[in-house]
Amino acid sequence: DTEVTQTPKHLVMGMTNKKSLKCEQHMGHRAMYWYKQKAKKPPELMFVYSYEKLSINESVPSRFSPECPNSSLLNLHLHALQPEDSALYLCASSQDQWNGNEQFFGPGTRLTVL
Amino acid sequence: GENVGLHLPTLSVQEGDNSIINCAYSNSASDYFIWYKQESGKGPQFIIDIRSNMDKRQGQRVTVLLNKTVKHLSLQIAATQPGDSAVYFCAENARSGNTPLVFGKGTRLSVIA
Repeated sequence: DTEVTQTPKHLVMGMTNKKSLKCEQHMGHRAMYWYKQKAKKPPELMFVYSYEKLSINESVPSRFSPECPNSSLLNLHLHALQPEDSALYLCASSQDQWNGNEQFFGPGTRLTVL
Repeated sequence: GENVGLHLPTLSVQEGDNSIINCAYSNSASDYFIWYKQESGKGPQFIIDIRSNMDKRQGQRVTVLLNKTVKHLSLQIAATQPGDSAVYFCAENARSGNTPLVFGKGTRLSVIA
């Protein structure tokens, strides 16, 4: 299984809502990532989890809260988002964070904040 | 910080011709490079990678060339097909230190049938 899955595919939420994005991989990878991608731009790194511990937080606002319940799952909890947070949210995983390994990406969650 | 960039934002190619997509990088410590293809509404898909101890690597219809002297990376697609139409990103990573994968700006490849 060389797939990263993400749910939901699409999400529309109001600025007062609380929602969560989910990501799963069963490749035994020990590094997992959240990226944000705006239209016509490259993915921007948000968070990195390495061996289920938060390794990198790229100065992401606290309205985005990541969680790694186990080595296969990665969540992104959303609360009090702004319309400018509307984007494609991509999850990725790699064997580990350190040794120049290929990152496998999921299909993304298209988020719209009203 | 140092980042990866691209020479051309868009490229139009006739079906059947070869495509060349270029990428410049500035981090001399980068030692691992990846090309990703991203179709509309989808996540980036791995195409090919290369490590800094190599100058060239070939896959199925794709070749990546690395010129460390001028810090340049290119992706060559042979016999370009309509299904190759997508945005192509190069990305680089330095093995030492806490450096995540850094993406270039992307090139949109349009294949003209």
